[in-house]
Amino acid sequence: EVQLVESGGGLVQPGRSLRLSCAASGFTFDDYAMHWVRQAPGKGLEWVSGSSWNSGTIGYADSVKGRFIISRDNAKNSLYLQMNSLRAEDTALYYCVKDATAGDSGSYSFDYWGQGTLVTVSS
Amino acid sequence: QSALTQPASVSGSPGQSITISCTGTSSDVGGYNYVSWYQQHPGKAPKLMIYDVTDRPSGVSNRFSGSKSGNTASLTISGLQAEDEADYYCSSYTSSSTVVFGGGTKLTVL
Repeated sequence: EVQLVESGGGLVQPGRSLRLSCAASGFTFDDYAMHWVRQAPGKGLEWVSGSSWNSGTIGYADSVKGRFIISRDNAKNSLYLQMNSLRAEDTALYYCVKDATAGDSGSYSFDYWGQGTLVTVSS
Repeated sequence: QSALTQPASVSGSPGQSITISCTGTSSDVGGYNYVSWYQQHPGKAPKLMIYDVTDRPSGVSNRFSGSKSGNTASLTISGLQAEDEADYYCSSYTSSSTVVFGGGTKLTVL
């Protein structure tokens, strides 16, 4: 059974940093691209960042480029999101998601989602 | 990275068919066959319903189908059931090697 378990969320002041983690199990982690998707309270979905299986292809939404860094450790079946210079508008539930297609950069469709970790940016 | 355009809400009666549109540009929906659709019930994580424009993941009912014409993709749900009431989001790969979502559509089953 595929499982994605996020951790690291919490309340943080504007301008500070936070690191999210995602522990994956139930599939061959290094066969798939992985992504972070967020959802602000009562709002829609927003893709944040994605990494190909070998970290060779990495992308970011314009809203987080230069502030967030995605990384993965295939030996530990883990995905990370380092979030710096946090803003109030970064407040959201952050989902770790698995690409539906194995290999290269995947198909940019997401077949498994974690339950999310809530990040609240407020003074 | 402008969001794809979806109607805010659609509704239908049990047994009917409804279609949700998702309009983008030639740099996203119109340029690639990487359009996906997700269903989200309140308080739950999204569920993949359609990927690569027309494909259904294993376990998803064949009442759900996808299509695309030009810069507009569509999700059709036939034989509407009460359990289909949810929010629906489309997404597309973009020429900037990113992913863009639609604003979401609330489906009400009357």
